[in-house]
Amino acid sequence: EDKVVQSPLSLVVHEGDTVTLNCSYEVTNFRSLLWYKQEKKAPTFLFMLTSSGIEKKSGRLSSILDKKELFSILNITATQTGDSAVYLCADTGAGSYQLTFGKGTKLSVIP
Amino acid sequence: GAVVSQHPSRVICKSGTSVKIECRSLDFQATTMFWYRQFPKKSLMLMATSNEGSKATYEQGVEKDKFLINHASLTLSTLTVTSAHPEDSSFYICSALRTRDQPQHFGDGTRLSIL
Repeated sequence: EDKVVQSPLSLVVHEGDTVTLNCSYEVTNFRSLLWYKQEKKAPTFLFMLTSSGIEKKSGRLSSILDKKELFSILNITATQTGDSAVYLCADTGAGSYQLTFGKGTKLSVIP
Repeated sequence: GAVVSQHPSRVICKSGTSVKIECRSLDFQATTMFWYRQFPKKSLMLMATSNEGSKATYEQGVEKDKFLINHASLTLSTLTVTSAHPEDSSFYICSALRTRDQPQHFGDGTRLSIL
């Protein structure tokens, strides 16, 4: 059964802090793992990871995948209040391109 | 970047009304579109997968006669909630997929409130 577990479920940090969000997954014939950011509307795409050990970066955000441990992390450095959102992790299996989402991590960045 | 437009963003209507939600991919042709439902403080739940020119594939527990999906072209899919009731109130989100090796891109969602 396809399963995505994110931790922590919620996190409160101060501006300038660095945070690490976790995502573990179980899927038959893994294809990809994706990270999305959801504020008040629908999710916006952050990263798509298919290979182990290759870090993807976009500004202060970065993510990496460990296919051996079935795990991914999303790092945000020098957090800003605009980073406050729910961060969703999702995976896809080779037999399907449907996304299975985790429950999300709610990040609150306070000034 | 890929842009997906969803309309309307907010609907408030009386019980028994049918509501149509449109999802358009603005700058690419979407081989597949997806419809999700999201309850407050919960993650997205896939309702159905829609391929252009063919019948939608519904997830277990989703009534196909209740949630009608039409994928008329490579840039447009519609979800019609028929005879909506208060329990259908939710946040409905569509996404579009250009090719299978690319990520899904989401519309801004439609918040449906049935009184």
